[in-house]
Amino acid sequence: QLQLQESGPGLVKPSETLSLSCTVSGGSISSSGYYWGWIRQAPGKGLEWIGNIFYSGKTYYTPSLQSRVTISADTSKNQFSLKLSSVTAADAAVYYCARDGFAYDFWGQGTMVTVSS
Amino acid sequence: EIVLTQSPATLSLSPGERATLSCRASQSVSSYLAWYQQKPNQAPRLLIYGASNRATGIPARFSGSGSGTDFTLTISSLEPEDFAVYYCQQRSISWTFGQGTKVEIK
Repeated sequence: QLQLQESGPGLVKPSETLSLSCTVSGGSISSSGYYWGWIRQAPGKGLEWIGNIFYSGKTYYTPSLQSRVTISADTSKNQFSLKLSSVTAADAAVYYCARDGFAYDFWGQGTMVTVSS
Repeated sequence: EIVLTQSPATLSLSPGERATLSCRASQSVSSYLAWYQQKPNQAPRLLIYGASNRATGIPARFSGSGSGTDFTLTISSLEPEDFAVYYCQQRSISWTFGQGTKVEIK
């Protein structure tokens, strides 16, 4: 069974860079045809798509965050990562990683990130 | 960017009743639409993909329909565990989520 697990600091200072990793077990992020994505959810709000990385390495980002977001993959560790620069309080959220084959069918449990000095 | 508009924002129903949730896209997404269920403090769970295909392990009371710009998620007879928030999501042009519909107990 595929499993995804987010990891990273739960507290980030304003203007700094948020960095999270998603470790995948039970399957390879290099498997043909899959996207690996990041989605976030601010407290009490809906789901917001951040971006995806395709198994080939091609990346896709939501326009509103494109200038601040980088998603990358480390196939040797079977991980993919999210970096969000210049964070503000508006970036505080639960961050989920997920796999998209035909939809987001496997999700991590999510990790809460707080932005505060 | 494709905008997905879900209605209603809240649906108040009793167990055993039929729930009908709507999702409208700002432009055609063909059948590249999925539905998710989210309960408090849990990750979303995939219910429907490709507009009408039930994901693995999803009960038959959940069904999806539509194509193009108008989609519906129907829960034929609400069970107590179905009271949750439901999101639609498109992956035709980039990816976006709707704002969600909360199904609450009346």
